[in-house]
Amino acid sequence: EADIYQTPRYLVIGTGKKITLECSQTMGHDKMYWYQQDPGMELHLIHYSYGVNSTEKGDLSSESTVSRIRTEHFPLTLESARPSHTSQYLCASSDSRSINSPLHFGNGTRLTVT
Amino acid sequence: DQQVKQNSPSLSVQEGRISILNCDYTNSMFDYFLWYKKYPAEGPTFLISISSIKDKNEDGRFTVFLNKSAKHLSLHIVPSQPGDSAVYFCAAIFRTGGFKTIFGAGTRLFVKA
Repeated sequence: EADIYQTPRYLVIGTGKKITLECSQTMGHDKMYWYQQDPGMELHLIHYSYGVNSTEKGDLSSESTVSRIRTEHFPLTLESARPSHTSQYLCASSDSRSINSPLHFGNGTRLTVT
Repeated sequence: DQQVKQNSPSLSVQEGRISILNCDYTNSMFDYFLWYKKYPAEGPTFLISISSIKDKNEDGRFTVFLNKSAKHLSLHIVPSQPGDSAVYFCAAIFRTGGFKTIFGAGTRLFVKA
């Protein structure tokens, strides 16, 4: 049973549309992350947050933005979707009490921009 | 610049035999190494981890070995079961990197019945 929820699971949208990918967790974790993954490739960190009102860009440059107004919610927004944004987006959270806490992932959103 | 490399995209093993998944890394500052397992249409789930000060960690059928001098770690699954068929990601954390997790590209394991 997932403790971190992503919606939608699949999204097909036209170029130029604004989209928001939702991510919520019920574990009270301070740390949350967005990873982007293409088939057969590494998961690349695009955004992370260590708490409310804290957001940072990850190692992979992304045109998306994130917000962290509530501990449990970490949405990702693309203002103007392009075909190059087609990918799988994985949200994750971790417990900040231990430096080696594993990541808890949602089931991902597979985005296709036509 | 891949810091965590999984050079085998796929591996096929007979049920009951040992599966060995390999991972190489380039950054000697990594503090922890983890393995995640991913089924289709699901997110990765944590499987097992090892601290950089250890050379082995075991959890049931899963054992991770770390060879720091070679910058190499491996995941052994014994005995392999068809339900183990999934993509396995090697990952690493280093505190000077803000405790971010760096992932390899994954190895798809097929366990044949």
